[in-house]
Amino acid sequence: GQQVMQIPQYQHVQEGEDFTTYCNSSTTLSNIQWYKQRPGGHPVFLIQLVKSGEVKKQKRLTFQFGEAKKNSSLHITATQTTDVGTYFCAGDPNTGTASKLTFGTGTRLQVTL
Amino acid sequence: KAGVTQTPRYLIKTRGQQVTLSCSPISGHRSVSWYQQTPGQGLQFLFEYFSETQRNKGNFPGRFSGRQFSNSRSEMNVSTLELGDSALYLCASSLPSSGSTGELFFGEGSRLTVL
Repeated sequence: GQQVMQIPQYQHVQEGEDFTTYCNSSTTLSNIQWYKQRPGGHPVFLIQLVKSGEVKKQKRLTFQFGEAKKNSSLHITATQTTDVGTYFCAGDPNTGTASKLTFGTGTRLQVTL
Repeated sequence: KAGVTQTPRYLIKTRGQQVTLSCSPISGHRSVSWYQQTPGQGLQFLFEYFSETQRNKGNFPGRFSGRQFSNSRSEMNVSTLELGDSALYLCASSLPSSGSTGELFFGEGSRLTVL
């Protein structure tokens, strides 16, 4: 079945440093979504990427979808303590009937002053 | 607009018991998905319901079942609980289009502890 892996599993940065998490799918995706889960909270949708090579920005966050639509990345510039949480990518194979969104293993980000 | 509501938020059961969790999706959302979240396994897909029909199912044993009612509310049931079933069970609703899942709106989750 489809597998979605993320690296790194955990990263600890100092406030102001940049952060990147990478997501790789074993199969080609129709689209990919990113979610953020704060400690003790539930996943919250950040963005969806659909087109091959697509790049989207949300303030300090930059999302990329690979040309082959099998990988994606999330880059945070100048991290802040509010960025703390676990970031998940979720791949949608969209087989044309019912889709099963498969979540990546997640990258936990810790930011200290 | 009210968000996704899950009940109960916390519960403790013993091995062998069964449990039923409830999820009320956002008004107008017809798709409800269930996920199991554990520290070691991350978010694992259980099943998705759309218009009272199970559209997709993850790789979980038959002890895990679910259903959806005509008002889109959903329940999941776990029978013969095992210690390994201790987890946060998350429900998410969405407005699927063209067969794709769409953005998921998660509830706060039901944290199940099996003793």
